[in-house]
This record gives sequence, C-alpha cells and structure tokens, in this order.
Amino acid sequence: NAGVMQNPRHLVRRRGQEARLRCSPMKGHSHVYWYRQLPEEGLKFMVYLQKENIIDESGMPKERFSAEFPKEGPSILRIQQVVRGDSAAYFCASSQDRAEQYFGPGTRLTVT
Amino acid sequence: EDQVTQSPEALRLQEGESSSLNCSYTVSGLRGLFWYRQDPGKGPEFLFTLYSAGEEKEKERLKATLTKKESFLHITAPKPEDSATYLCAVQAGGSYIPTFGRGTSLIVHP
Repeated sequence: NAGVMQNPRHLVRRRGQEARLRCSPMKGHSHVYWYRQLPEEGLKFMVYLQKENIIDESGMPKERFSAEFPKEGPSILRIQQVVRGDSAAYFCASSQDRAEQYFGPGTRLTVT
Repeated sequence: EDQVTQSPEALRLQEGESSSLNCSYTVSGLRGLFWYRQDPGKGPEFLFTLYSAGEEKEKERLKATLTKKESFLHITAPKPEDSATYLCAVQAGGSYIPTFGRGTSLIVHP
C-alpha cells in the first residue's frame, strides 16, 4: 500500500510566480490536510479537505492561497504571487477516519 | 484556546540511557492524543494514538501513556537510530484538526 505522495519534493520559484503543490493520499483515505512547517517551528495547520469539499480552511491565509481536492486526481495547494515569506516545508497528510494522520515526504518551497 | 506543550525542547542521551518525553495539554473534551516521529527532511511518521486516561501503547523501545493532563513517551534503552524529533498532537472538542506541539529533539549518542 503506497504511502502519501507529494510532488514536487523541491520547488524553487521567483517572487511573484505561482507555486502548485500536489498530494495523493493513501488508498482508501478521503480526508486530506495541509500543513506548513518552518525551521525550529511546529506544524501549522492550513486546510482540511474531503473530496470536492473544503471542510476547514481556518489556518490558510485569505490572500494568495487556495486548495482543492477534486473528485479525480490529487489534492492541490496553490500559492499565487509567492513572496519570500512563503519559503517553508509544506506537508500533506491523509486520514481514513479523521483520527491518526499519515504524512507525505513534504514539498520544500524556496522563493528567490 | 487549546494548548499543547512539549518538554524538554531537546534531550541528549547515551545509548541505553532510558528517559521520558512529556506532552502537557489544556483542552476541552479530548478526542485523541497522537505521537509522531519526524526525521530531518522527512514527514512525520505516526507512532501512537491514545484516547483516554490510563491508556498505554507500546512499540519496540517506546511506550506512550496518558493522564487527564499530560502524556509521556517513555524510551527504554534507546539506540542511536531513535534520534529524531518527537511530536505530540491533540484533537479536542468538536474539531478534527489536531494541534501540534513544537516537539522534542532527541539525540542518542553511541
């Protein structure tokens, strides 16, 4: 059973460009969570999605950030007009029953 | 506001030297407490879920326990490969969003 997959693993963007991060949950998992982690900081919740629905986006900035989990295909976290402060590791996790979560390897975004 | 505090922030042990990591929480209506292990450059790896005070879970050299206010992760006779950051997370109330602590960075010297 493949684990949670994220791509790309590393992404470099210039200020003002768009970043698209993809996450494929574990087979049979319908709950997807996105987190952001900065060095020396904890995991910060961003958004929780189920297929075709955003359940909770309370941790996501109102501007420039959006997320989706379509009926077919991976979940996508989209960051428009990136700024240097967006540089971080972004993790996706999936869950079968909204309890324990299984994390992907992360996407490390660097904004130059 | 839900609070999850982990201590110590960093811990250095000699191989074989047993110790405990602490996760204290102040939440209303605990749904579950989770322990994860995170290696540098990788995503957190799920270890345990605890649901009620008095519950214990074990896996190899790790044992997690839960009281009404805190959880301990006991590490017995650790090995260098146990070196990692250990994260605690809590789900509470009507929310399925876990709140993570900042973690304890464990280094086990051979």
